[in-house]
Amino acid sequence: DIQMTQSPASLSASLEEIVTITCQASQDIGNWLSWYQQKPGKSPQLLIYGATSLADGVPSRFSGSRSGTQYSLKISRLQVEDIGIYYCLQAYSAWTFGGGTKLELK
Amino acid sequence: EVQLVESGGGLVQPGRSLKLSCAASGFTFSNYYMAWVRQAPKKGLEWVATISTSGSRTYYPDSVKGRFTISRDNAKSSLYLQMNSLKSEDTATYYCARRQDGYNSHYFDYWGQGVMVTVSS
Repeated sequence: DIQMTQSPASLSASLEEIVTITCQASQDIGNWLSWYQQKPGKSPQLLIYGATSLADGVPSRFSGSRSGTQYSLKISRLQVEDIGIYYCLQAYSAWTFGGGTKLELK
Repeated sequence: EVQLVESGGGLVQPGRSLKLSCAASGFTFSNYYMAWVRQAPKKGLEWVATISTSGSRTYYPDSVKGRFTISRDNAKSSLYLQMNSLKSEDTATYYCARRQDGYNSHYFDYWGQGVMVTVSS
Protein backbone atom coordinates (compact mmCIF):
# COMPACT_ATOMS: atom_id res chain seq x y z
CA ASP A 1 0.00 0.00 0.00
CA ILE A 2 1.15 3.52 -0.77
CA GLN A 3 1.58 5.79 2.26
CA MET A 4 1.29 9.57 2.11
CA THR A 5 3.13 11.43 4.85
CA GLN A 6 1.85 14.97 5.12
CA SER A 7 3.59 17.77 7.01
CA PRO A 8 3.26 19.78 9.06
CA ALA A 9 0.20 18.49 10.93
CA SER A 10 -0.61 22.05 11.95
CA LEU A 11 0.57 25.45 10.87
CA SER A 12 0.03 28.96 12.12
CA ALA A 13 0.69 31.77 9.66
CA SER A 14 0.01 35.49 9.21
CA LEU A 15 -2.05 37.14 6.51
CA GLU A 16 -0.13 37.66 3.26
CA GLU A 17 2.47 35.12 4.36
CA ILE A 18 3.69 32.34 2.06
CA VAL A 19 2.54 28.91 3.23
CA THR A 20 3.88 25.56 2.06
CA ILE A 21 2.46 22.11 2.86
CA THR A 22 4.15 18.92 1.72
CA CYS A 23 3.26 15.31 1.11
CA GLN A 24 5.84 12.56 0.79
CA ALA A 25 4.78 9.45 -1.12
CA SER A 26 6.20 6.08 -0.07
CA GLN A 27 6.84 5.22 -3.73
CA ASP A 28 6.65 6.75 -7.17
CA ILE A 29 3.11 7.96 -7.92
CA GLY A 30 3.90 10.16 -10.91
CA ASN A 31 1.49 13.08 -11.07
CA TRP A 32 -1.41 11.10 -9.60
CA LEU A 33 -1.80 13.54 -6.75
CA SER A 34 -4.47 16.07 -5.84
CA TRP A 35 -4.96 18.60 -3.04
CA TYR A 36 -8.16 19.48 -1.17
CA GLN A 37 -9.23 22.17 1.23
CA GLN A 38 -11.81 21.48 3.92
CA LYS A 39 -13.37 24.31 5.87
CA PRO A 40 -15.05 23.63 9.24
CA GLY A 41 -18.33 21.77 8.83
CA LYS A 42 -17.98 21.58 5.06
CA SER A 43 -17.07 18.93 2.54
CA PRO A 44 -13.62 18.92 0.92
CA GLN A 45 -13.05 21.07 -2.15
CA LEU A 46 -10.61 20.31 -4.96
CA LEU A 47 -7.70 22.74 -5.29
CA ILE A 48 -5.03 21.04 -7.41
CA TYR A 49 -5.03 17.93 -9.61
CA GLY A 50 -2.34 16.18 -11.58
CA ALA A 51 0.10 17.50 -8.97
CA THR A 52 0.32 20.95 -10.58
CA SER A 53 -2.95 21.86 -12.33
CA LEU A 54 -5.22 24.43 -10.71
CA ALA A 55 -8.88 23.42 -10.44
CA ASP A 56 -11.55 25.67 -11.92
CA GLY A 57 -12.40 28.65 -9.76
CA VAL A 58 -9.45 28.23 -7.40
CA PRO A 59 -7.49 31.46 -6.80
CA SER A 60 -4.12 31.69 -8.52
CA ARG A 61 -2.35 32.15 -5.17
CA PHE A 62 -2.62 28.37 -4.83
CA SER A 63 -0.07 26.28 -6.68
CA GLY A 64 1.20 22.71 -6.67
CA SER A 65 4.62 21.31 -7.41
CA ARG A 66 6.48 18.03 -7.45
CA SER A 67 10.06 16.98 -6.79
CA GLY A 68 10.44 13.25 -7.17
CA THR A 69 8.08 11.68 -4.64
CA GLN A 70 7.62 14.91 -2.67
CA TYR A 71 4.65 17.09 -3.47
CA SER A 72 3.98 20.61 -2.26
CA LEU A 73 1.02 22.93 -2.04
CA LYS A 74 1.91 26.60 -1.84
CA ILE A 75 -0.29 29.52 -0.90
CA SER A 76 1.54 32.59 -2.09
CA ARG A 77 -0.27 35.21 0.04
CA LEU A 78 -2.40 33.77 2.81
CA GLN A 79 -5.93 35.16 3.03
CA VAL A 80 -8.42 34.74 5.87
CA GLU A 81 -10.64 32.54 3.69
CA ASP A 82 -7.78 30.05 3.29
CA ILE A 83 -8.09 28.87 6.87
CA GLY A 84 -9.01 25.21 7.09
CA ILE A 85 -7.56 21.72 6.78
CA TYR A 86 -5.65 20.64 3.70
CA TYR A 87 -5.28 17.09 2.42
CA CYS A 88 -3.28 15.48 -0.32
CA LEU A 89 -4.58 12.38 -2.11
CA GLN A 90 -2.74 9.84 -4.23
CA ALA A 91 -4.67 7.95 -6.90
CA TYR A 92 -1.81 5.94 -8.45
CA SER A 93 -2.76 2.73 -6.65
CA ALA A 94 -6.11 2.68 -4.87
CA TRP A 95 -6.56 5.98 -3.01
CA THR A 96 -4.66 7.25 0.01
CA PHE A 97 -5.09 10.58 1.74
CA GLY A 98 -2.40 12.37 3.67
CA GLY A 99 -3.07 12.94 7.35
CA GLY A 100 -4.05 16.57 6.87
CA THR A 101 -2.61 19.97 7.74
CA LYS A 102 -4.61 22.33 9.91
CA LEU A 103 -3.90 25.89 8.84
CA GLU A 104 -4.66 28.65 11.33
CA LEU A 105 -4.12 32.39 11.47
CA LYS A 106 -1.39 33.68 13.71
CA GLU B 1 -24.89 22.67 -11.54
CA VAL B 2 -23.45 19.42 -10.25
CA GLN B 3 -25.13 18.25 -7.07
CA LEU B 4 -24.55 15.18 -4.93
CA VAL B 5 -26.97 14.66 -2.05
CA GLU B 6 -26.42 11.86 0.43
CA SER B 7 -29.09 10.32 2.63
CA GLY B 8 -29.74 7.30 4.80
CA GLY B 9 -27.44 7.97 7.71
CA GLY B 10 -28.30 7.60 11.36
CA LEU B 11 -27.67 5.68 14.55
CA VAL B 12 -27.23 1.92 14.21
CA GLN B 13 -26.15 -0.81 16.60
CA PRO B 14 -22.88 -2.69 16.14
CA GLY B 15 -23.30 -5.70 13.86
CA ARG B 16 -26.32 -4.25 12.10
CA SER B 17 -26.64 -2.91 8.55
CA LEU B 18 -27.33 0.43 6.92
CA LYS B 19 -27.65 1.59 3.32
CA LEU B 20 -26.60 5.03 2.19
CA SER B 21 -27.81 6.71 -0.97
CA CYS B 22 -26.44 9.54 -3.07
CA ALA B 23 -28.66 11.34 -5.58
CA ALA B 24 -26.71 12.94 -8.41
CA SER B 25 -27.84 15.72 -10.72
CA GLY B 26 -26.41 18.29 -13.09
CA PHE B 27 -24.24 15.88 -15.08
CA THR B 28 -24.47 12.60 -17.02
CA PHE B 29 -24.14 10.23 -14.08
CA SER B 30 -23.49 7.13 -16.20
CA ASN B 31 -20.30 8.67 -17.63
CA TYR B 32 -18.45 8.87 -14.33
CA TYR B 33 -16.83 6.57 -11.83
CA MET B 34 -18.17 7.37 -8.37
CA ALA B 35 -16.83 6.86 -4.87
CA TRP B 36 -17.51 7.02 -1.17
CA VAL B 37 -15.09 8.70 1.22
CA ARG B 38 -15.54 8.87 4.99
CA GLN B 39 -14.29 10.99 7.84
CA ALA B 40 -14.41 9.85 11.45
CA PRO B 41 -15.14 12.63 13.98
CA LYS B 42 -12.16 15.00 14.25
CA LYS B 43 -10.13 12.69 11.98
CA GLY B 44 -8.84 12.71 8.42
CA LEU B 45 -10.32 11.44 5.19
CA GLU B 46 -10.44 7.76 4.22
CA TRP B 47 -11.40 6.31 0.86
CA VAL B 48 -14.12 3.67 1.25
CA ALA B 49 -15.20 2.44 -2.21
CA THR B 50 -15.16 3.18 -5.93
CA ILE B 51 -17.43 1.90 -8.70
CA SER B 52 -17.00 1.94 -12.46
CA THR B 53 -19.42 3.62 -14.85
CA SER B 54 -21.38 0.44 -15.55
CA GLY B 55 -21.09 -0.90 -12.04
CA SER B 56 -19.22 -3.98 -13.18
CA ARG B 57 -16.03 -3.10 -11.32
CA THR B 58 -15.80 -2.17 -7.66
CA TYR B 59 -12.84 -1.39 -5.41
CA TYR B 60 -12.45 -1.29 -1.64
CA PRO B 61 -9.71 -0.87 0.97
CA ASP B 62 -9.09 -3.79 3.31
CA SER B 63 -10.82 -1.95 6.17
CA VAL B 64 -14.28 -2.43 4.60
CA LYS B 65 -13.78 -5.22 2.04
CA GLY B 66 -16.32 -7.98 2.55
CA ARG B 67 -18.58 -5.78 4.68
CA PHE B 68 -19.42 -2.84 2.41
CA THR B 69 -20.87 -2.97 -1.10
CA ILE B 70 -20.99 -0.05 -3.48
CA SER B 71 -23.58 -0.06 -6.26
CA ARG B 72 -25.28 2.31 -8.64
CA ASP B 73 -28.46 2.75 -10.64
CA ASN B 74 -27.65 4.81 -13.72
CA ALA B 75 -31.33 5.10 -14.66
CA LYS B 76 -31.95 6.85 -11.34
CA SER B 77 -28.62 8.71 -11.22
CA SER B 78 -28.06 7.22 -7.81
CA LEU B 79 -25.14 5.75 -5.91
CA TYR B 80 -25.45 3.43 -2.93
CA LEU B 81 -23.34 2.03 -0.12
CA GLN B 82 -24.60 -1.06 1.65
CA MET B 83 -22.82 -1.37 4.99
CA ASN B 84 -23.06 -4.67 6.85
CA SER B 85 -21.56 -5.92 10.12
CA LEU B 86 -21.03 -2.36 11.23
CA LYS B 87 -18.40 -1.60 13.85
CA SER B 88 -17.88 1.38 16.13
CA GLU B 89 -14.90 2.38 14.00
CA ASP B 90 -17.24 2.86 11.03
CA THR B 91 -18.70 5.89 12.80
CA ALA B 92 -18.05 8.77 10.41
CA THR B 93 -19.44 11.27 7.98
CA TYR B 94 -19.76 9.58 4.60
CA TYR B 95 -19.26 11.61 1.45
CA CYS B 96 -20.29 10.73 -2.06
CA ALA B 97 -17.75 11.97 -4.61
CA ARG B 98 -17.43 12.09 -8.38
CA ARG B 99 -14.20 10.83 -9.90
CA GLN B 100 -12.78 12.92 -12.69
CA ASP B 101 -10.21 11.51 -15.09
CA GLY B 102 -7.46 13.76 -16.38
CA TYR B 103 -4.23 13.06 -18.21
CA ASN B 104 -2.31 10.77 -15.87
CA SER B 105 -4.54 11.77 -12.99
CA HIS B 106 -7.69 10.79 -11.20
CA TYR B 107 -9.24 13.03 -8.61
CA PHE B 108 -12.51 13.89 -6.91
CA ASP B 109 -13.91 17.06 -8.42
CA TYR B 110 -17.31 17.18 -6.70
CA TRP B 111 -18.34 16.08 -3.22
CA GLY B 112 -21.68 15.80 -1.48
CA GLN B 113 -22.43 17.52 1.82
CA GLY B 114 -21.98 14.26 3.72
CA VAL B 115 -24.20 12.07 5.87
CA MET B 116 -23.44 11.00 9.43
CA VAL B 117 -23.38 7.36 10.48
CA THR B 118 -23.06 6.54 14.17
CA VAL B 119 -22.46 2.95 15.22
CA SER B 120 -23.23 2.54 18.89
CA SER B 121 -25.25 0.40 21.25
